[in-house]
Amino acid sequence: QVQLQESGPGLVKPSGTLSLTCAVSGGSITNSNSWSWVRQPPGKGLEWVGEIYPSGTTNYSPSLKSRVTISLDKSKNQFSLKLSSVTAADTAVYYCAREYHASGDALDIWGQGTSVTVSS
Amino acid sequence: DIVMTQTPLSSPVTLGQPASISCRSNQSLVHKDGSTYLSWLHQRPGQPPRLLIYKISNRFSGVPDRFSGSGAGTDFTLKISRVEADDVGVYYCMQATQLPQTFGQGTKVEIK
Repeated sequence: QVQLQESGPGLVKPSGTLSLTCAVSGGSITNSNSWSWVRQPPGKGLEWVGEIYPSGTTNYSPSLKSRVTISLDKSKNQFSLKLSSVTAADTAVYYCAREYHASGDALDIWGQGTSVTVSS
Repeated sequence: DIVMTQTPLSSPVTLGQPASISCRSNQSLVHKDGSTYLSWLHQRPGQPPRLLIYKISNRFSGVPDRFSGSGAGTDFTLKISRVEADDVGVYYCMQATQLPQTFGQGTKVEIK
């Protein structure tokens, strides 16, 4: 049973860089369509941030593209998110999720989420 | 970006009664490969979203058969045949036909 677990600082200063990691257990990170990051501001809906394929190919939300980097570490079976020049608007719960071909390319497995606050 | 619009945004329902949520996209969600990548997710308070339905009408593993999805093109519906207490929360439709993937605003289902 594949499980995902996000980790990273819960507090980031304005203009700093948010860095999160998603550890994949119960399966190989190479055995999936892609791996995504989705965020949810307090009391609001879901926003797709971007994805990375096992090949290393990435796709990002156009609204965040200039600030986002998603990378993958096969040796550690994990993938990461970096978001630079953060502001209070980046305060959110950040989820990592798996997109799987057998589930119609839907996001079928999600981590528990990690809350990130941008504040000085 | 494809805009996903859900109605209603709030749905008070009686236990044991049916519920229905509509999701409309401003562009067709039929991919050039012929598939329609429309899914439904459910999020309970304080929990991550969980997948219910993928490719319009396919129930994900472990999802009760009281949940069903239908639709085509730009109009989609999620139906709950008999609402149970465990079904409260927010339901989202999501499209993965075109990047960026986008979500509906969410529909909050609560018990009357």
